[in-house]
Amino acid sequence: QVQLQESGPGLVKPSQTLSLTCDVSGGSITNGPYYWDWIRQPAGKGLEWIGRIYTSGNGYTTYNPSLKSRVSISADKSKNQFSLKLSSVTAADTAVYFCARNHYGSAKVYFDYWGQGLLVSVSS
Amino acid sequence: DIQMTQSPSSLSASVGDRVTITCRTSESISTYLNWYQHRPGKAPKLLIYDASSLQDGVPSTFSGSGSGTDFTLTISRLQPEDFATYYCQQSFAIPYSFGQGTKVEI
Repeated sequence: QVQLQESGPGLVKPSQTLSLTCDVSGGSITNGPYYWDWIRQPAGKGLEWIGRIYTSGNGYTTYNPSLKSRVSISADKSKNQFSLKLSSVTAADTAVYFCARNHYGSAKVYFDYWGQGLLVSVSS
Repeated sequence: DIQMTQSPSSLSASVGDRVTITCRTSESISTYLNWYQHRPGKAPKLLIYDASSLQDGVPSTFSGSGSGTDFTLTISRLQPEDFATYYCQQSFAIPYSFGQGTKVEI
């Protein structure tokens, strides 16, 4: 059974960089056919897709254009984890952040495993 | 970006009821539509992928239908553990997008 767990600071100051890690157990992040994604949910709002990384090959990343200038997703295959960095944060970045496994294959694409989520608040 | 319109935003129901949630997309997405269940404090759970395929381990009381721009999630007989928030999500185009959610309450 694949499990994902987010970790990182629950409080970040405005203008600083939010850094989160997702630990994956029950399977290697280098096995396909999967991307590894980040998604967030501001309080009282809907889910927003942040971006993804393809770890089975060259670490190719894809980001939501609305966040692209501030986002970076990377992976550490030796630790079986992937990470999110979001720079120049503001109060609008306060949200529950989820990591998820993105299955693709046979033209079917879906998030089949998620972490429980981590609340990150941006405040001075 | 593809916009998702999910309705209703909330509904009240009883155990044993049949519940239907709809999701409409701003452009045609074939069957690239998934449904998730989210209980507070828990990891979201995939219910239906590719519009109508039941994820392994999900009860057959859940079903999905639709293609193009109009989709439906149906719970045939509501169980106590089904009280949660449900989201649709399109995987046709980047950026992926989600509906605003439907909260199913007692």
